[in-house]
Amino acid sequence: AQSVTQLGSHVSVSEGALVLLRCNYSSSVPPYLFWYVQYPNQGLQLLLKYTTGATLVKGINGFEAEFKKSETSFHLTKPSAHMSDAAEYFCAVRLEGYSSASKIIFGSGTRLSIRP
Amino acid sequence: GAGVSQSPSNKVTEKGKDVELRCDPISGHTALYWYRQSLGQGLEFLIYFQGNSAPDKSGLPSDRFSAERTGGSVSTLTIQRTQQEDSAVYLCASSLVDSGWYEQYFGPGTRLTVT
Repeated sequence: AQSVTQLGSHVSVSEGALVLLRCNYSSSVPPYLFWYVQYPNQGLQLLLKYTTGATLVKGINGFEAEFKKSETSFHLTKPSAHMSDAAEYFCAVRLEGYSSASKIIFGSGTRLSIRP
Repeated sequence: GAGVSQSPSNKVTEKGKDVELRCDPISGHTALYWYRQSLGQGLEFLIYFQGNSAPDKSGLPSDRFSAERTGGSVSTLTIQRTQQEDSAVYLCASSLVDSGWYEQYFGPGTRLTVT
């Protein structure tokens, strides 16, 4: 069965430092992978997604993620953290064989805090 | 409005009471989804609508949960005889069509507290 695991429920970095949020998935075929961000008291917003093609995906707000099949990973990075990046981040994978968005399963989330 | 709206934003209810949560999707979006977000957990899929039909109700946790959508627009999630374990944030999302290719747009959620 497909699943997605986010390592670290809480990550804290200093402003200007590298942001690295880890996500690993299990799938027998190349998956569709997503990162969502949830700012306080707001709904989720799509940051970026990988479907096919280039394995390095660029998203909004300077974030990017790289699909590494050999490591079954889709880690999210940003070179320099900004205070406005403080939020909850969710990794998600679409179940194989389904086209419906209802078959997207979400990780448990990582809360990112930024220290001044 | 430009985005998905949900009401109420907060709801406190006593155990055993019924509650109704409302979602107004983006105009023209045919697909609508309900999720539940519990503290420290990811999103749990509940149900989705394509138009007014609900092809997938597999995520509804019990028969106390039901949902409907009318006019291909507004949707209501009803929880009967609420229990404390129903306390969570209920998120609604809409999409132009139901496909993993198309982005889901999420509302701000309804925080339900059952006392």
